Amino acid sequence: NAGVTQTPKFQVLKTGQSMTLQCAQDMNHEYMSWYRQDPGMGLRLIHYSVGAGITDQGEVPNGYNVSRSTTEDFPLRLLSAAPSQTSVYFCASSYSSPGSNPNNSPLHFGNGTRLTVT
Amino acid sequence: AQSVTQLDSHVSVSEGTPVLLRCNYSSSYSPSLFWYVQHPNKGLQLLLKYTSAATLVKGINGFEAEFKKSETSFHLTKPSAHMSDAAEYFCVVSDSWGKLQFGAGTQVVVTP
Repeated sequence: NAGVTQTPKFQVLKTGQSMTLQCAQDMNHEYMSWYRQDPGMGLRLIHYSVGAGITDQGEVPNGYNVSRSTTEDFPLRLLSAAPSQTSVYFCASSYSSPGSNPNNSPLHFGNGTRLTVT
Repeated sequence: AQSVTQLDSHVSVSEGTPVLLRCNYSSSYSPSLFWYVQHPNKGLQLLLKYTSAATLVKGINGFEAEFKKSETSFHLTKPSAHMSDAAEYFCVVSDSWGKLQFGAGTQVVVTP
């Protein structure tokens, strides 16, 4: 049982390049989400999904796209990278939306992807 | 709208002494509240959660937190710090739709 797996662990991009951050979970969780972590700002929600085929925007969605074609995978796409997207990105999943049933829905986090855009 | 404020960005304690991490929240309804810990180069791990049951919540690794509605606080405590407690701690508030609001984090340093 691997939990939440993120790849790559590190990535350097030039401004304007595109890339996809991968996230996979093997816990059959319906809820998946992407956060970015910046110093002094905690974690901010980028996009989330409550099930396959359903996605929605979080607090800071601009510049990012997501899709959820399977329960297991929730990739995050940067279409044209900008220096402001330099950050650490975390994928997290839970059995259901964390607020809907907190007793059953702690978030499980991956180990993060450290992205630098030059 | 909801928000969460962690009152200390850094806390330094000696090994074996108590730890107190302060968190205040604002919410227009009864929130769910969480504390997460992040060790270096790792993802976040749930320490404990409050979900409108007992106001004193016990978590893993000897941590506990008390929900005080009148003070809108959810402070995290541990009676005796261990070197392995050195990490960053996040207070989190959740609305009923599952959107989480993270505090800015408190970095804990434990000295021998």
